[in-house]
Amino acid sequence: EVQLVESGGGLVQPGRSLRLSCAASGFTFDDYAMHWVRQAPGKGLEWVSGISWNSGSIGYADSVKGRFTISRDNAKNSLYLQMNSLRAEDTALYYCAKDGDRGSWGSSWFDPWGQGTLVTVSS
Amino acid sequence: EIVLTQSPGTLSLSPGERATLSCRASQSVSSSYLAWYQQKPGQAPRLLIYGASSRATGIPDRFSGSGSGTDFTLTISRLEPEDFAVYYCQQYGSSPQTFGGGTKVEIK
Repeated sequence: EVQLVESGGGLVQPGRSLRLSCAASGFTFDDYAMHWVRQAPGKGLEWVSGISWNSGSIGYADSVKGRFTISRDNAKNSLYLQMNSLRAEDTALYYCAKDGDRGSWGSSWFDPWGQGTLVTVSS
Repeated sequence: EIVLTQSPGTLSLSPGERATLSCRASQSVSSSYLAWYQQKPGQAPRLLIYGASSRATGIPDRFSGSGSGTDFTLTISRLEPEDFAVYYCQQYGSSPQTFGGGTKVEIK
């Protein structure tokens, strides 16, 4: 069974940093691109960032470009999101999601999703 | 970026009725790279449809997707009690991937 388990969320002050992790199991991790998607409280879904299977291709939403950094460690079956200069508007549940299509980049649906880790940015 | 507009915002229906959800794109979605997700309260989104009309593994055949270009539809032929949820469309043919604002299907 494919499992994605996020961790690292919490309450952080504006301007500070946080690092999210996603532990993957049940599939060949280095065959798939991976993504972070967030959902502000009571709001819709927003793609944040994605990384190809070999880290050769990376993308960011304009809202986080220059502040967030995505990375992965295929030896540890793990995905990361380093979030710097956090703002109140970054408050959201952050989901880790697997690309639906093996070997693709930027042209696949997301399946499955983890349960999310909550990031709250507030003083 | 491609903006996806979902309508209606809320759909009030009874179990057994047919639900028709719309997703309209601001530009043509290449190769029908359009997916639909279901989200229940406190849960992560679940993939229902990809490629505009292909059902994901384990999804009942009462869910169907159609459309191309800029107009896409998710149809639930007969609503079951577990189908009342929020539904999102997503385009993944153009960077950045974008989601619609969601349609809530509620019990009438």
